[in-house]
Amino acid sequence: DQQVKQNSPSLSVQEGRISILNCDYTNSMFDYFLWYKKYPAEGPTFLISISSIKDKNEDGRFTVFLNKSAKHLSLHIVPSQPGDSAVYFCAASDAGGTSYGKLTFGQGTILTVHP
Amino acid sequence: DTEVTQTPKHLVMGMTNKKSLKCEQHMGHRAMYWYKQKAKKPPELMFVYSYEKLSINESVPSRFSPECPNSSLLNLHLHALQPEDSALYLCASSQEGQGFYEQYFGPGTRLTVT
Repeated sequence: DQQVKQNSPSLSVQEGRISILNCDYTNSMFDYFLWYKKYPAEGPTFLISISSIKDKNEDGRFTVFLNKSAKHLSLHIVPSQPGDSAVYFCAASDAGGTSYGKLTFGQGTILTVHP
Repeated sequence: DTEVTQTPKHLVMGMTNKKSLKCEQHMGHRAMYWYKQKAKKPPELMFVYSYEKLSINESVPSRFSPECPNSSLLNLHLHALQPEDSALYLCASSQEGQGFYEQYFGPGTRLTVT
């Protein structure tokens, strides 16, 4: 049972345009959501997070939107740069519960930004 | 400083060997994690330590044995592994185990079991 889903395995975007990565979840206990970027042969790098009491969080070029009723979140990168090319993972946790920080990851989306 | 270090970077071991993976953080974090990642798959949680106590074991086989000697160090002892255990092993830490805290990952140890 996949509780966090990223339905697009890959996304290709032109440099300077917006990249939108999507993520859906099924577990209504999830109340904390995070996005990670991963290059090959490296560990995931934390990008941005959002708790369920908010619907938007912004950090520089990265904005995460949360729609709790639809159990959907998205990551917007504006403007996209070639260095953003990586695998992006959405992750979720029941932070307000007793999960001890257990993160459940989506399958990842490969983002390619073309110059 | 959000650095988590892991050693070794690469490890090749036979099925009868005993080896250990090491992880260190100096951010004062009180929760540390081991994840396993197979190729083209997301990371999967193995163990969580909170305040140096094992809080979560995700039904990991006993050939993997975690150890948290102090709040900055996390080890994963390996014994009698199988070829299907070959994967990238990631360590992470967060300020606390419970609550809204992001996890910071190390670069991983690429393990190959022959």
